[in-house]
Amino acid sequence: GAVVSQHPSWVICKSGTSVKIECRSLDFQATTMFWYRQFPKQSLMLMATSNEGSKATYEQGVEKDKFLINHASLTLSTLTVTSAHPEDSSFYICSARDLGARAFFGQGTRLTVV
Amino acid sequence: GESVGLHLPTLSVQEGDNSIINCAYSNSASDYFIWYKQESGKGPQFIIDIRSNMDKRQGQRVTVLLNKTVKHLSLQIAATQPGDSAVYFCAETVSGTYKYIFGTGTRLKVLA
Repeated sequence: GAVVSQHPSWVICKSGTSVKIECRSLDFQATTMFWYRQFPKQSLMLMATSNEGSKATYEQGVEKDKFLINHASLTLSTLTVTSAHPEDSSFYICSARDLGARAFFGQGTRLTVV
Repeated sequence: GESVGLHLPTLSVQEGDNSIINCAYSNSASDYFIWYKQESGKGPQFIIDIRSNMDKRQGQRVTVLLNKTVKHLSLQIAATQPGDSAVYFCAETVSGTYKYIFGTGTRLKVLA
């Protein structure tokens, strides 16, 4: 299947700083990528849909100024957590869809804000 | 968000037995369904999918059953192995919306 690479796999940052997470589709072009957040022992919660060349669509309750999404190319989307706080600590996962509508997921990024 | 999870239910099975993991989906308009396996600290891994024009699909050691009347999806794993231990999620989507909605998940524990 198609490969989606997410980087970094884990990051620790200080409160008030910003962190950027990258999501790349390695062997296919993805016009649409998705960002999820997952708390321990819970399901994936869709945060936003990232469209190449246009603004992201955020789910209700997700602060767009807090979670900046950029989809500059057909193979790269980035999520920046701005002014991070401990409550932003979570597992962030991206996915990308191929033409067959199947979604492939990155390996996730564990963010810890101290 | 679309899916707010609860604490995960757990299914414990003996190695070699068959496992059945159930999922109730929410949108009667959903027409594509997927099962994912998630190991600790990793992203979801595709297992098997099914479209709404089918009620059964088989893969290697796995079978997905779809009952649209009661909006129910199940994943059957034959001859469960220790490597099958993980959390399993179902996901639903409506073709063209490009949005997956995930179920709450089930933790599968395989007992030796």
